[in-house]
Amino acid sequence: GENVEQHPSTLSVQEGDSAVIKCTYSDSASNYFPWYKQELGKGPQLIIDIRSNVGEKKDQRIAVTLNKTAKHFSLHITETQPEDSAVYFCAASKGGGSNYKLTFGKGTLLTVNP
Amino acid sequence: KAGVTQTPRYLIKTRGQQVTLSCSPISGHRSVSWYQQTPGQGLQFLFEYFSETQRNKGNFPGRFSGRQFSNSRSEMNVSTLELGDSALYLCASSVPGQIETQYFGPGTRLLVL
Repeated sequence: GENVEQHPSTLSVQEGDSAVIKCTYSDSASNYFPWYKQELGKGPQLIIDIRSNVGEKKDQRIAVTLNKTAKHFSLHITETQPEDSAVYFCAASKGGGSNYKLTFGKGTLLTVNP
Repeated sequence: KAGVTQTPRYLIKTRGQQVTLSCSPISGHRSVSWYQQTPGQGLQFLFEYFSETQRNKGNFPGRFSGRQFSNSRSEMNVSTLELGDSALYLCASSVPGQIETQYFGPGTRLLVL
């Protein structure tokens, strides 16, 4: 089955700096890659996603890039703010159908220091 | 539109007991998936229901089961609880035709003593 590796497991940055989290996946048939943010005591919140027919997607300070050949994708957060502090999860799936499930990375604890 | 709701939010049980958790999806969402989250294993897929039918199942023992009702609400049951079942149980729902875009509830924190 699919295996998703996520690095780093912890990341500490100064407010205003950029943060990058990287994930690799094993199943070349995977075609949907969401990123989730989980704050303490809450469920994961979808923040951005990308499909395999797109190389990059941006939403304000957040961007995701996908390299299908290398089977890796990354989350980029620019101009970080203290409220960006949370655990971030990447995931991969073969989108749609009756055999669908998300496979998650182990998460990255991002701390943004004021 | 209200988000995914899960009840109860917190639960304490003892080994050998059974537990039932409830999930109400976002209005109009018909697919409901369940995940177990632990510090060691991370987020792991349990099962997915659509139109009252289990369509997909993860690698969990038969003690973990679920069902979905005609209004898309779902329940999961864990029988003969073990200490290792202590976890955050998350429910996610998705829009018909976009099953991959999943919206999570706040979870039920289960502690087994």
